[in-house]
Amino acid sequence: QKEVEQDPGPLSVPEGAIVSLNCTYSNSAFQYFMWYRQYSRKGPELLMYTYSSGNKEDGRFTAQVDKSSKYISLFIRDSQPSDSATYLCAVLNKFYFGSGTKLNVKP
Amino acid sequence: IAGITQAPTSQILAAGRRMTLRCTQDMRHNAMYWYRQDLGLGLRLIHYSNTAGTTGKGEVPDGYSVSRANTDDFPLTLASAVPSQTSVYFCASSDESTGELFFGEGSRLTVL
Repeated sequence: QKEVEQDPGPLSVPEGAIVSLNCTYSNSAFQYFMWYRQYSRKGPELLMYTYSSGNKEDGRFTAQVDKSSKYISLFIRDSQPSDSATYLCAVLNKFYFGSGTKLNVKP
Repeated sequence: IAGITQAPTSQILAAGRRMTLRCTQDMRHNAMYWYRQDLGLGLRLIHYSNTAGTTGKGEVPDGYSVSRANTDDFPLTLASAVPSQTSVYFCASSDESTGELFFGEGSRLTVL
């Protein structure tokens, strides 16, 4: 079993939609959770970083961790075409990554 | 600020050949990582180094070796390349104070 599981998509939404991206993880000891965004033919870049359970908001982006169900989510409000990218969840234990979800926001 | 520099950016290689992917960082981070990224499989950790002089195996280490002679450089070597090693390889380093991973732009390797 992989440390982090993520639906690879692709996910296609119209501009302005609310996007929900999700991952599950295997080890309840994980404390630090991250979302990275990767544009085509580029390296991933850190988008959001959360510790333990709860929500963290940054502009149109909200990261949510539910440790009881070992579930992490990223919500994007008022999605824009510039949000089109692959989103990868990760846990801070030698930095295990999910497979990434490719998002396409259509104008 | 250069961050993480990888070379080459792209390479086509015959099976059985030896290949070294270079990675240099200028952020003085202690920890460095090598990942491969394949469609549908995401980023998989090959090897890592927590500090100069130490290395460790990740999820998919077979067929790869690394060295960490100093803080800045973390080369990845394929001793005898095979077609299944066709992939995009990313080097990264992490900031201990924030936990953030910084990635290079990737090295696209094709083994024929």
